[in-house]
Amino acid sequence: KNQVEQSPQSLIILEGKNCTLQCNYTVSPFSNLRWYKQDTGRGPVSLTIMTFSENTKSNGRYTATLDADTKQSSLHITASQLSDSASYICVVSVTSGGATNKLIFGTGTLLAVQP
Amino acid sequence: DAGVTQSPTHLIKTRGQQVTLRCSPKSGHDTVSWYQQALGQGPQFIFQYYEEEERQRGNFPDRFSGHQFPNYSSELNVNALLLGDSALYLCASRPVQDFTSGGGTDTQYFGPGTRLTVL
Repeated sequence: KNQVEQSPQSLIILEGKNCTLQCNYTVSPFSNLRWYKQDTGRGPVSLTIMTFSENTKSNGRYTATLDADTKQSSLHITASQLSDSASYICVVSVTSGGATNKLIFGTGTLLAVQP
Repeated sequence: DAGVTQSPTHLIKTRGQQVTLRCSPKSGHDTVSWYQQALGQGPQFIFQYYEEEERQRGNFPDRFSGHQFPNYSSELNVNALLLGDSALYLCASRPVQDFTSGGGTDTQYFGPGTRLTVL
Protein backbone atom coordinates (compact mmCIF):
# COMPACT_ATOMS: atom_id res chain seq x y z
CA LYS A 1 0.00 0.00 0.00
CA ASN A 2 1.34 3.43 -0.95
CA GLN A 3 1.84 5.48 2.21
CA VAL A 4 3.65 8.60 3.32
CA GLU A 5 4.37 9.06 7.02
CA GLN A 6 5.70 12.21 8.61
CA SER A 7 7.26 12.94 11.96
CA PRO A 8 6.98 14.59 14.30
CA GLN A 9 3.26 15.29 14.17
CA SER A 10 3.88 18.71 15.69
CA LEU A 11 6.88 20.73 16.74
CA ILE A 12 7.48 23.92 18.72
CA ILE A 13 10.78 25.78 18.38
CA LEU A 14 12.12 29.18 19.30
CA GLU A 15 12.71 31.82 16.68
CA GLY A 16 16.20 31.59 15.20
CA LYS A 17 16.61 27.87 15.90
CA ASN A 18 16.96 25.15 13.29
CA CYS A 19 14.71 22.13 12.90
CA THR A 20 14.39 19.00 10.79
CA LEU A 21 11.19 17.34 9.67
CA GLN A 22 11.10 13.71 8.55
CA CYS A 23 9.19 11.87 5.84
CA ASN A 24 9.20 8.10 5.22
CA TYR A 25 7.38 6.61 2.29
CA THR A 26 6.41 3.26 0.90
CA VAL A 27 5.48 4.27 -2.61
CA SER A 28 6.16 2.47 -5.85
CA PRO A 29 6.90 3.23 -8.57
CA PHE A 30 8.41 6.48 -7.32
CA SER A 31 8.37 9.56 -9.54
CA ASN A 32 9.27 12.49 -7.32
CA LEU A 33 8.96 13.88 -3.80
CA ARG A 34 7.86 17.34 -2.87
CA TRP A 35 7.63 19.38 0.28
CA TYR A 36 4.79 21.85 0.61
CA LYS A 37 4.20 24.59 3.16
CA GLN A 38 0.58 25.20 4.10
CA ASP A 39 -0.47 28.17 6.16
CA THR A 40 -3.63 27.69 8.19
CA GLY A 41 -6.71 27.80 5.98
CA ARG A 42 -4.70 28.31 2.81
CA GLY A 43 -3.66 26.11 -0.07
CA PRO A 44 -0.26 24.35 0.00
CA VAL A 45 2.70 26.10 -1.63
CA SER A 46 5.54 24.08 -3.13
CA LEU A 47 8.94 24.45 -1.45
CA THR A 48 11.05 21.81 -3.19
CA ILE A 49 10.65 18.94 -5.61
CA MET A 50 13.20 16.14 -6.06
CA THR A 51 13.45 13.28 -8.49
CA PHE A 52 14.98 9.87 -7.88
CA SER A 53 18.49 11.01 -8.79
CA GLU A 54 18.57 14.10 -6.58
CA ASN A 55 19.91 13.89 -3.02
CA THR A 56 19.45 17.45 -1.86
CA LYS A 57 17.75 20.63 -2.94
CA SER A 58 17.62 24.04 -1.30
CA ASN A 59 15.16 26.90 -1.43
CA GLY A 60 16.43 29.73 0.72
CA ARG A 61 16.44 28.61 4.34
CA TYR A 62 14.75 25.33 3.39
CA THR A 63 16.91 22.32 2.46
CA ALA A 64 15.37 19.00 1.50
CA THR A 65 17.23 15.70 1.31
CA LEU A 66 16.19 12.46 -0.31
CA ASP A 67 17.52 8.93 0.20
CA ALA A 68 15.78 6.83 -2.41
CA ASP A 69 17.36 3.63 -1.08
CA THR A 70 15.87 3.96 2.39
CA LYS A 71 12.84 5.87 1.09
CA GLN A 72 13.37 8.73 3.48
CA SER A 73 13.35 12.48 3.08
CA SER A 74 13.96 15.35 5.43
CA LEU A 75 13.25 19.07 5.37
CA HIS A 76 15.70 21.22 7.30
CA ILE A 77 14.75 24.76 8.21
CA THR A 78 17.58 27.07 9.15
CA ALA A 79 17.32 30.16 11.37
CA SER A 80 13.57 29.81 11.79
CA GLN A 81 11.30 32.83 11.59
CA LEU A 82 7.83 33.41 13.00
CA SER A 83 6.46 33.22 9.45
CA ASP A 84 7.69 29.63 9.21
CA SER A 85 4.81 28.61 11.48
CA ALA A 86 2.71 26.37 9.23
CA SER A 87 2.01 22.77 8.33
CA TYR A 88 4.69 21.10 6.21
CA ILE A 89 3.43 18.34 3.97
CA CYS A 90 5.50 15.67 2.25
CA VAL A 91 4.00 14.50 -1.04
CA VAL A 92 5.23 11.57 -3.11
CA SER A 93 4.28 11.20 -6.75
CA VAL A 94 3.55 7.71 -8.07
CA THR A 95 4.20 7.00 -11.72
CA SER A 96 1.01 5.72 -13.29
CA GLY A 97 -0.27 5.01 -16.74
CA GLY A 98 -2.05 7.75 -18.60
CA ALA A 99 -1.42 11.46 -18.62
CA THR A 100 -0.80 12.10 -14.96
CA ASN A 101 0.85 10.79 -11.86
CA LYS A 102 -0.94 10.13 -8.57
CA LEU A 103 0.06 12.10 -5.49
CA ILE A 104 0.26 10.49 -2.06
CA PHE A 105 0.09 13.07 0.74
CA GLY A 106 1.49 12.79 4.23
CA THR A 107 -0.56 14.15 7.12
CA GLY A 108 1.93 16.94 7.70
CA THR A 109 4.05 18.28 10.53
CA LEU A 110 2.60 21.30 12.30
CA LEU A 111 5.44 23.69 13.12
CA ALA A 112 5.03 26.55 15.57
CA VAL A 113 7.85 29.08 15.86
CA GLN A 114 7.70 31.10 19.06
CA PRO A 115 9.43 34.42 19.78
CA ASP B 1 -0.51 35.84 -14.48
CA ALA B 2 -3.24 34.69 -12.16
CA GLY B 3 -2.64 31.55 -10.17
CA VAL B 4 -5.27 29.00 -9.32
CA THR B 5 -8.46 30.66 -8.11
CA GLN B 6 -11.38 29.13 -6.25
CA SER B 7 -14.83 30.32 -5.32
CA PRO B 8 -16.45 30.81 -2.97
CA THR B 9 -13.95 31.30 -0.15
CA HIS B 10 -16.32 30.08 2.53
CA LEU B 11 -19.64 28.27 2.39
CA ILE B 12 -22.12 27.10 4.99
CA LYS B 13 -24.70 24.45 4.12
CA THR B 14 -27.03 22.13 6.01
CA ARG B 15 -27.20 18.37 5.86
CA GLY B 16 -28.87 17.00 2.76
CA GLN B 17 -28.18 20.07 0.64
CA GLN B 18 -26.12 20.16 -2.50
CA VAL B 19 -23.07 22.35 -3.14
CA THR B 20 -21.02 23.42 -6.16
CA LEU B 21 -17.46 24.65 -5.83
CA ARG B 22 -15.57 26.29 -8.66
CA CYS B 23 -11.96 26.40 -9.75
CA SER B 24 -10.06 28.26 -12.45
CA PRO B 25 -6.64 26.76 -13.21
CA LYS B 26 -3.39 28.63 -13.58
CA SER B 27 -2.84 30.03 -17.06
CA GLY B 28 -1.39 27.38 -19.34
CA HIS B 29 -2.61 24.49 -17.20
CA ASP B 30 -5.17 22.02 -18.48
CA THR B 31 -5.33 19.39 -15.75
CA VAL B 32 -7.34 20.02 -12.60
CA SER B 33 -7.43 17.94 -9.43
CA TRP B 34 -9.68 18.26 -6.42
CA TYR B 35 -8.75 17.41 -2.83
CA GLN B 36 -10.60 17.29 0.47
CA GLN B 37 -8.64 18.31 3.54
CA ALA B 38 -10.17 17.72 6.95
CA LEU B 39 -8.88 19.75 9.87
CA GLY B 40 -5.44 18.55 10.94
CA GLN B 41 -5.17 16.08 8.07
CA GLY B 42 -3.37 15.99 4.76
CA PRO B 43 -5.32 16.51 1.54
CA GLN B 44 -7.21 13.48 0.23
CA PHE B 45 -7.45 13.08 -3.54
CA ILE B 46 -11.01 13.21 -4.87
CA PHE B 47 -10.57 13.15 -8.65
CA GLN B 48 -8.72 14.64 -11.57
CA TYR B 49 -9.97 16.09 -14.85
CA TYR B 50 -8.20 16.39 -18.14
CA GLU B 51 -9.74 17.09 -21.54
CA GLU B 52 -13.13 17.45 -19.86
CA GLU B 53 -13.06 13.87 -18.61
CA GLU B 54 -12.50 12.34 -15.20
CA ARG B 55 -9.14 10.57 -15.49
CA GLN B 56 -8.47 9.38 -11.96
CA ARG B 57 -10.63 9.05 -8.88
CA GLY B 58 -9.88 8.60 -5.22
CA ASN B 59 -11.92 6.71 -2.66
CA PHE B 60 -14.93 9.03 -2.57
CA PRO B 61 -18.61 8.09 -3.04
CA ASP B 62 -20.66 8.97 -6.08
CA ARG B 63 -22.11 11.92 -4.17
CA PHE B 64 -18.93 13.66 -5.26
CA SER B 65 -18.99 14.52 -8.94
CA GLY B 66 -17.24 17.00 -11.13
CA HIS B 67 -17.02 18.65 -14.45
CA GLN B 68 -14.38 20.35 -16.55
CA PHE B 69 -15.25 22.99 -19.12
CA PRO B 70 -13.57 23.73 -22.47
CA ASN B 71 -11.69 26.63 -20.86
CA TYR B 72 -10.20 24.10 -18.38
CA SER B 73 -12.09 25.50 -15.39
CA SER B 74 -13.73 22.92 -13.19
CA GLU B 75 -16.58 22.37 -10.75
CA LEU B 76 -16.89 20.02 -7.81
CA ASN B 77 -20.43 19.02 -6.87
CA VAL B 78 -21.37 17.30 -3.65
CA ASN B 79 -24.90 15.99 -3.18
CA ALA B 80 -26.73 14.98 -0.01
CA LEU B 81 -24.21 16.72 2.23
CA LEU B 82 -23.14 15.03 5.45
CA LEU B 83 -21.60 16.60 8.53
CA GLY B 84 -18.39 14.76 7.66
CA ASP B 85 -18.13 16.64 4.38
CA SER B 86 -17.05 19.74 6.32
CA ALA B 87 -13.51 20.44 5.15
CA LEU B 88 -11.23 22.64 3.11
CA TYR B 89 -11.64 21.76 -0.56
CA LEU B 90 -8.52 22.38 -2.59
CA CYS B 91 -8.19 22.64 -6.32
CA ALA B 92 -4.82 22.11 -7.97
CA SER B 93 -3.80 22.57 -11.58
CA ARG B 94 -0.85 21.52 -13.71
CA PRO B 95 0.04 21.20 -17.35
CA VAL B 96 -0.49 17.76 -18.84
CA GLN B 97 2.50 15.55 -18.02
CA ASP B 98 5.31 15.68 -20.54
CA PHE B 99 6.31 12.06 -21.05
CA THR B 100 9.46 13.04 -22.91
CA SER B 101 10.82 14.59 -19.72
CA GLY B 102 9.90 11.55 -17.70
CA GLY B 103 7.39 13.56 -15.77
CA GLY B 104 9.90 13.99 -12.98
CA THR B 105 9.38 17.61 -12.21
CA ASP B 106 5.67 18.14 -12.76
CA THR B 107 4.38 20.54 -10.16
CA GLN B 108 0.85 21.11 -9.06
CA TYR B 109 -0.21 24.59 -8.06
CA PHE B 110 -2.87 24.77 -5.39
CA GLY B 111 -5.62 27.31 -5.03
CA PRO B 112 -6.49 28.96 -1.72
CA GLY B 113 -9.30 26.51 -1.07
CA THR B 114 -12.99 26.71 -0.24
CA ARG B 115 -13.91 26.17 3.39
CA LEU B 116 -17.18 24.19 3.50
CA THR B 117 -19.06 23.90 6.75
CA VAL B 118 -22.03 21.53 6.95
CA LEU B 119 -24.40 22.11 9.86
